[in-house]
Amino acid sequence: EVQLVESGGGLVQPGGSLRLSCAASGFTFSSYWMSWVRQAPGKGLEWVANIKQDGSEKYYVDSVKGRFTISRDNAKNSLYLQMNSLRVEDTAVYYCARGGLAIGSDWGQGTLVTVSS
Amino acid sequence: QSVLTQPPSASGTPGQRVTISCSGSSSNIGSNPVNWYQQFPGTAPKLLIYSNNQRPSGVPDRFSGSKSGTSASLAISGLQSEAEADYYCAAWDDSLNGYVFGTGTKVTVL
Repeated sequence: EVQLVESGGGLVQPGGSLRLSCAASGFTFSSYWMSWVRQAPGKGLEWVANIKQDGSEKYYVDSVKGRFTISRDNAKNSLYLQMNSLRVEDTAVYYCARGGLAIGSDWGQGTLVTVSS
Repeated sequence: QSVLTQPPSASGTPGQRVTISCSGSSSNIGSNPVNWYQQFPGTAPKLLIYSNNQRPSGVPDRFSGSKSGTSASLAISGLQSEAEADYYCAAWDDSLNGYVFGTGTKVTVL
């Protein structure tokens, strides 16, 4: 059974940093693109970033370019999202999902990031 | 701001057929496959349709997808109360180099 478990969310002040992690199991992690998707409270889904199997390609939504960094450790079956210079508008539930150019049926339960003073 | 446009809401009575549209452009729907997701409050999205019209195992055949040019549609036939949820279309955008979601449609069963 595929499992994706996010962690690392919490309350952070504007301008602060947070690192999200996603632990993957039940599939060959190194064979798949992986993505982060977020959802602000009461709003729709927004794709944030994705990363190729070997980490050689990464793509970001414009609003996080230069502030967020996606990475992975295939030896640890883990996906990460380093978030710097956080803004109030980054407040959202962040989901880890399997897939890159198309996100499929495997999503984590999400972790809440709240940016507030 | 999403580049895929959906109606904010759709509704029908039990047993009716409801259709949700998703309008995009040549750089997304026009050149890449469309996926549809169903989301209940407080839960992660669930893949409903992939590659325009394919259903993952376990998704009832009441749900169907189609695509024509730069638009796509999701149809729910034999509407049931369990279908009350938010629905999102999505596709890769070659110009943005990103995966774009639709604005979302809330389906209500009257």
